[in-house]
Amino acid sequence: AQSVTQLDSQVPVFEEAPVELRCNYSSSVSVYLFWYVQYPNQGLQLLLKYLSGSTLVESINGFEAEFNKSQTSFHLRKPSVHISDTAEYFCAVKTDSSYKLIFGSGTRLLVRP
Amino acid sequence: EPEVTQTPSHQVTQMGQEVILRCVPISNHLYFYWYRQILGQKVEFLVSFYNNEISEKSEIFDDQFSVERPDGSNFTLKIRSTKLEDSAMYFCASSDLAGGNEQFFGPGTRLTVL
Repeated sequence: AQSVTQLDSQVPVFEEAPVELRCNYSSSVSVYLFWYVQYPNQGLQLLLKYLSGSTLVESINGFEAEFNKSQTSFHLRKPSVHISDTAEYFCAVKTDSSYKLIFGSGTRLLVRP
Repeated sequence: EPEVTQTPSHQVTQMGQEVILRCVPISNHLYFYWYRQILGQKVEFLVSFYNNEISEKSEIFDDQFSVERPDGSNFTLKIRSTKLEDSAMYFCASSDLAGGNEQFFGPGTRLTVL
């Protein structure tokens, strides 16, 4: 069975500071990895995903995540955050043999001016 | 940009009553899903649906739950006899393919069982 751990329930950070949101997963088979973001009163939106190939994946709004197989991690980073990045961020995994996404418990990113 | 829509945004019901949550997936998608998030807990998978039948379901999806695609556009989740512990945010999602393809989520329906 697969599982996802997001150790930080909330990460406060000042505007323009760098941030890292941590995600570790457990699986005995190969997985696809995803980061979803949820803004207040909205659904989950895909931020970025790792399927195969380059271990560093980027989103259009400056976020990036690196797949590290040896550490079973997929941490999300941004070098300089904006107030508008305030949201809940969910890490998720999926395998080829299942239809379901398995989510972590989420990390609330709070960007302060 | 196409999106998944859900109605109602908030549903309040009495324990033991039946509720139907409605979703309109993205029109060319073939795979449909329901997830739920109990307040303060993880988003949990309930069921996936493809080619007019359930393709996978979780332990949560017991006999009180059912899904249906009554026409070419709607995808519904029915809870036959609601319990207090069914109170949660229910998310519908759809995707065009399985595998590693993105699942597009709706804004959710908040179900409150009194």
